[in-house]
Amino acid sequence: EAQVTQNPRYLITVTGKKLTVTCSQNMNHEYMSWYRQDPGLGLRQIYYSMNVEVTDKGDVPEGYKVSRKEKRNFPLILESPSPNQTSLYFCASSLRGSYGGYEQYFGPGTRLTVT
Amino acid sequence: QQQVKQSPQSLIVQKGGISIINCAYENTAFDYFPWYQQFPGKGPALLIAIRPDVSEKKEGRFTISFNKSAKQFSLHIMDSQPGDSATYFCAASDENAGNMLTFGGGTRLMVKP
Repeated sequence: EAQVTQNPRYLITVTGKKLTVTCSQNMNHEYMSWYRQDPGLGLRQIYYSMNVEVTDKGDVPEGYKVSRKEKRNFPLILESPSPNQTSLYFCASSLRGSYGGYEQYFGPGTRLTVT
Repeated sequence: QQQVKQSPQSLIVQKGGISIINCAYENTAFDYFPWYQQFPGKGPALLIAIRPDVSEKKEGRFTISFNKSAKQFSLHIMDSQPGDSATYFCAASDENAGNMLTFGGGTRLMVKP
């Protein structure tokens, strides 16, 4: 089954404790990205990757790191989490769809709480 | 500053009614306008999309209307059903600047039986 998987789905941690949220896709997509979803703000892109070893900042990259060593994996790293990073995080991969634009396939989300 | 503004934030419609969600954008370079549907506990999923060379796109009960001069586009859900209850996001992207999607704030739709 074509899918984007994220782990963990739920995470409660404390300020300053490094964490990694993993993301994997089995669709051989070149483009992957991370979003955070906050009430009233929709989804905002954190980082994206056009291909292996190619990453770039999105709208809200501060406090986050990413890496793309393999095509299928795109982990999100929070080196020193803070309470303002409490959010719902989505990983997505994409390809050019039937509408002519890039169709994003989203993972199930990771709900992160930083206390 | 949000480049794509979506309204309303929430919407309650009776079964069989028409649901209308509106979005306005600022960046005239945007050339792809998708709508995503999100059910609780799930990631968003592409519902329908339009490019600026057409003014309307229809798929089943879902229609996008696009007004390039006004920089607005809207989603119409005809014969709304309780199963349509979800959060809807409009989005826009400029493919010449990569395919980063800029999302609206979302509309929580509830269709009452």
